[in-house]
Amino acid sequence: KNQVEQSPQSLIILEGKNCTLQCNYTVSPFSNLRWYKQDTGRGPVSLTIMTFSENTKSNGRYTATLDADTKQSSLHITASQLSDSASYICVVSALGGNNRLAFGKGNQVVVIP
Amino acid sequence: EAQVTQNPRYLITVTGKKLTVTCSQNMNHEYMSWYRQDPGLGLRQIYYSMNVEVTDKGDVPEGYKVSRKEKRNFPLILESPSPNQTSLYFCASSLIYRFDGGHETQYFGPGTRLLVL
Repeated sequence: KNQVEQSPQSLIILEGKNCTLQCNYTVSPFSNLRWYKQDTGRGPVSLTIMTFSENTKSNGRYTATLDADTKQSSLHITASQLSDSASYICVVSALGGNNRLAFGKGNQVVVIP
Repeated sequence: EAQVTQNPRYLITVTGKKLTVTCSQNMNHEYMSWYRQDPGLGLRQIYYSMNVEVTDKGDVPEGYKVSRKEKRNFPLILESPSPNQTSLYFCASSLIYRFDGGHETQYFGPGTRLLVL
């Protein structure tokens, strides 16, 4: 069973609208959670990172939240633009290093004019 | 400019013909990793390396080899490629340990699209 589950798998939104992506994880003990943005055919790029003590982090129109108690994170995109069309990948790192990374399968977002 | 480079970016080959995909990073990162990405499956780790001469299997290592003779380079070798290795491949690097042992941000290369006929 995958340790990181993302939903919805895909969504289509109108330009200018907001959307929220979900990430649930079971990774333990928890170190940090990152959201990456991956444009089609390109490598993922980090958007935000949150540790156990942080419950919100913003990067421009992207705002990530973390509830470490329920092991849930969300990524909110405000006033979407066509350039937001991409896959958003949730990656969770465990304490202790040694390659303890778990990847979600991504949320595919398509923004239409 | 800090970056991860991969070569080639596109490759078409035939079954059984050995190939190597190179990966190089200029950020002095200890950790390097190879992933393959297939539709509906997300990123899956093939091999990783915690430092020079230290490599280990990821989730899908069958049919692949790697080496880490230098810190900056981490080539992926397909000794006898098969059609099920047709995929998009990414190399990534990062510093390993934050203060609590968690991973630092990974920097990904641009990807190598491989087609095995």
